[in-house]
Amino acid sequence: DTGVSQNPRHKITKRGQNVTFRCDPISEHNRLYWYRQTLGQGPEFLTYFQNEAQLEKSRLLSDRFSAERPKGSFSTLEIQRTEQGDSAMYLCASNIVPRNTGELFFGEGSRLTVL
Amino acid sequence: AQRVTQPEKLLSVFKGAPVELKCNYSYSGSPELFWYVQYSRQRLQLLLRHISRESIKGFTADLNKGETSFHLKKPFAQEEDSAMYYCALGSGSARQLTFGSGTQLTVLP
Repeated sequence: DTGVSQNPRHKITKRGQNVTFRCDPISEHNRLYWYRQTLGQGPEFLTYFQNEAQLEKSRLLSDRFSAERPKGSFSTLEIQRTEQGDSAMYLCASNIVPRNTGELFFGEGSRLTVL
Repeated sequence: AQRVTQPEKLLSVFKGAPVELKCNYSYSGSPELFWYVQYSRQRLQLLLRHISRESIKGFTADLNKGETSFHLKKPFAQEEDSAMYYCALGSGSARQLTFGSGTQLTVLP
């Protein structure tokens, strides 16, 4: 499968712990996006990278959240001092510019449960 | 700020009946609209985009700027159409998507 890959698929943690999610985009894709989806809602934009540069961050991305894409390939999303409100599905997506048709290719997501 | 509204959380129709999933948007710029679909145990994927004006799996959607709507329609629903459908608006420097809250479509036999 050459699609977007995310791991871990599920993470259960205790409040106050740090967690990190990894996303491997489709290999030639230079744009990578992170979204968060809570129960009953559509995905919400968090941040995106073009190559290794983080070009935009949503106000949803609090100081406890940090995302990196150090070599312009895979990306990590770290949440520090997790809170119960962080429980959600974290989705990664990628596409390619300038051939961008607007379509995003999504991974299967990483589900976080904070106890 | 942009907003996408899908007024129906759940929609059930019988096989062979027409189906319409509603989507309204609010955006000050020129809208770029999409429908994404998530079948059971599968990842979110693009169904269609307004700019292509195409029919995918029998679904069509017309952008109505006057009514700020982008409703998804299919004349004869099939059981395999049962899924969660999200309307999305592309905006910003990277056309990041603003999603609606989704409509769960169930097609009954």
